[in-house]
Amino acid sequence: GNSVTQMEGPVTLSEEAFLTINCTYTATGYPSLFWYVQYPGEGLQLLLKATKADDKGSNKGFEATYRKETTSFHLEKGSVQVSDSAVYFCALRSGANSKLTFGKGITLSVRP
Amino acid sequence: EAQVTQNPRYLITVTGKKLTVTCSQNMNHEYMSWYRQDPGLGLRQIYYSMNVEVTDKGDVPEGYKVSRKEKRNFPLILESPSPNQTSLYFCASSARAGGVETQYFGPGTRLLVL
Repeated sequence: GNSVTQMEGPVTLSEEAFLTINCTYTATGYPSLFWYVQYPGEGLQLLLKATKADDKGSNKGFEATYRKETTSFHLEKGSVQVSDSAVYFCALRSGANSKLTFGKGITLSVRP
Repeated sequence: EAQVTQNPRYLITVTGKKLTVTCSQNMNHEYMSWYRQDPGLGLRQIYYSMNVEVTDKGDVPEGYKVSRKEKRNFPLILESPSPNQTSLYFCASSARAGGVETQYFGPGTRLLVL
């Protein structure tokens, strides 16, 4: 079946540091890949997505590239801000059911 | 404003007392689903619905029921809640546009079963 593996957390960074959050997946067929963000006390928001190999999703300074050869979709940001503190989920969708398969999520804390 | 709404946002109940969490979307989406979020487990799908009167089990359906009598509403029913159903629940809806599908999530319902 489908699965998503995220790096263990939590992650604590200083403001303006470089961020990488690793995400790898296993799936049948050709999945679409997503990063969702959950700010404290809120629901999930779509951060970015990629639907085919070599696509790069980007939003709010975050980027992730769909790497089929390494089955990865790592999230990066060049300079994090305190307001980026949140929980980040990597997810995939594959097959007729629109179900999203999520990773466990990772908490990012950015200190001033 | 396009949105998915859930009620209640917070609920404390006791074992065995039936409860319903409502979910409504105003985007005319065909697909709706329920997830539960637990620490260290991420989100797992409970039930989903491809359209009115069409529902099916997700990964963790035990102890839950759903119905889809109207397109906009997808309530989650716990007939006899147990403490292991204490969790954070999210409703989501989606539709395809230009060949790409995006899911929209509600704000979540935090449930505590004593």
